[in-house]
Amino acid sequence: EAGVTQSPTHLIKTRGQQATLRCSPISGHTSVYWYQQALGLGLQFLLWYDEGEERNRGNFPPRFSGRQFPNYSSELNVNALELEDSALYLCASSLGRSGNTIYFGEGSWLTVV
Amino acid sequence: AQSVSQHNHHVILSEAASLELGCNYSYGGTVNLFWYVQYPGQHLQLLLKYFSGDPLVKGIKGFEAEFIKSKFSFNLRKPSVQWSDTAEYFCAVRDNQGGKLIFGQGTELSVKP
Repeated sequence: EAGVTQSPTHLIKTRGQQATLRCSPISGHTSVYWYQQALGLGLQFLLWYDEGEERNRGNFPPRFSGRQFPNYSSELNVNALELEDSALYLCASSLGRSGNTIYFGEGSWLTVV
Repeated sequence: AQSVSQHNHHVILSEAASLELGCNYSYGGTVNLFWYVQYPGQHLQLLLKYFSGDPLVKGIKGFEAEFIKSKFSFNLRKPSVQWSDTAEYFCAVRDNQGGKLIFGQGTELSVKP
């Protein structure tokens, strides 16, 4: 069974540009989570989607946004990129909303130059 | 708001030494607790989890953790570490109604052969 898959693996963008990261959850999982892992800052929660709806949002500016598609895959968009957005972006999925284990993908490295 | 604190940022041990990594959380309700491991260059993997029942939880690769409700703690232990245990370890808490994981800052474990 395939795990959580993310693309692209690496992405290099210029400051001010937009980045789009994609995530496919484990088959049957309806909840998708996005986390940012920046150097020295640990794992910071970005967004949670379940059944196509945004359920929760972390303490990030509005230029971080996303969506979940009918097939439960998800996109994370980062507009007006800043150098500090350089990080590993992790997607995770779980079976439904409550009491289930969250499984992580391998992440997408975003470098802003 | 939920928070997780890991006591040690970097732990250095020799092979065969015993390991205990501290984790305390702040949350008034019933929680689910997790330890994840991130080996160098790899994605986050679940080590073990506690949802309910026996507070002593056994995970993969010989790891175990004990949930002490009165102390809001979920410490990770291993009787004898191996060089291959070198990794970063993250403690995480989640409301038992579901939703996002809140992570601790992570503990980097270096095991000397």
